[in-house]
Amino acid sequence: TQLLEQSPQFLSIQEGENLTVYCNSSSVFSSLQWYRQEPGEGPVLLVTVVTGGEVKKLKRLTFQFGDARKDSSLHITAAQPGDTGLYLCAGAKYTGNQFYFGTGTSLTVIP
Amino acid sequence: DSGVTQTPKHLITATGQRVTLRCSPRSGDLSVYWYQQSLDQGLQFLIQYYNGEERAKGNILERFSAQQFPDLHSELNLSSLELGDSALYFCASSVQSRGNTEAFFGQGTRLTVV
Repeated sequence: TQLLEQSPQFLSIQEGENLTVYCNSSSVFSSLQWYRQEPGEGPVLLVTVVTGGEVKKLKRLTFQFGDARKDSSLHITAAQPGDTGLYLCAGAKYTGNQFYFGTGTSLTVIP
Repeated sequence: DSGVTQTPKHLITATGQRVTLRCSPRSGDLSVYWYQQSLDQGLQFLIQYYNGEERAKGNILERFSAQQFPDLHSELNLSSLELGDSALYFCASSVQSRGNTEAFFGQGTRLTVV
């Protein structure tokens, strides 16, 4: 059983559309990271959110950490083909030494 | 470039064999994590070392072992390989031991067991 569940699992949209990816858990995390992974490559860190309710913007990407620090969302505005990839959320707990990765969302943006 | 170096990039070996995957963390990072990623399993945590000591263990098989050396590089040893061990193996490093920090990933080693 995954500690972090992501939805949707797969997403295929047209260039220019908006989308939101969700990362949910029943556990509380001290911080949450979002990564993007391209086929055959390692995950690349996009952002870290550490405060409940925090919103961070990275160009067309908006990340939000839930008030209760149990969930997060990633919103992409005007998606581009270069946004195609596997998006992974990962949570870190206050104690322990692991990053708990989500189930992943595979995004395809069609030109 | 994340600063984390993994070698080799690709590895093809036969069932029953043993292989060693190597990881050099980012300069200054004391913590190294190993992950396995296969198509149907997602990113699975295997094991973590901090400054030479094992700190956390995940779904790591008994046939697998790892260590972190005084220069902080780490090796993941996979023995008695089975077809199902074919996967991408990633190493990540971070500055701190506790999980409330960021991890940076290497490019991975693609292991194919035939």
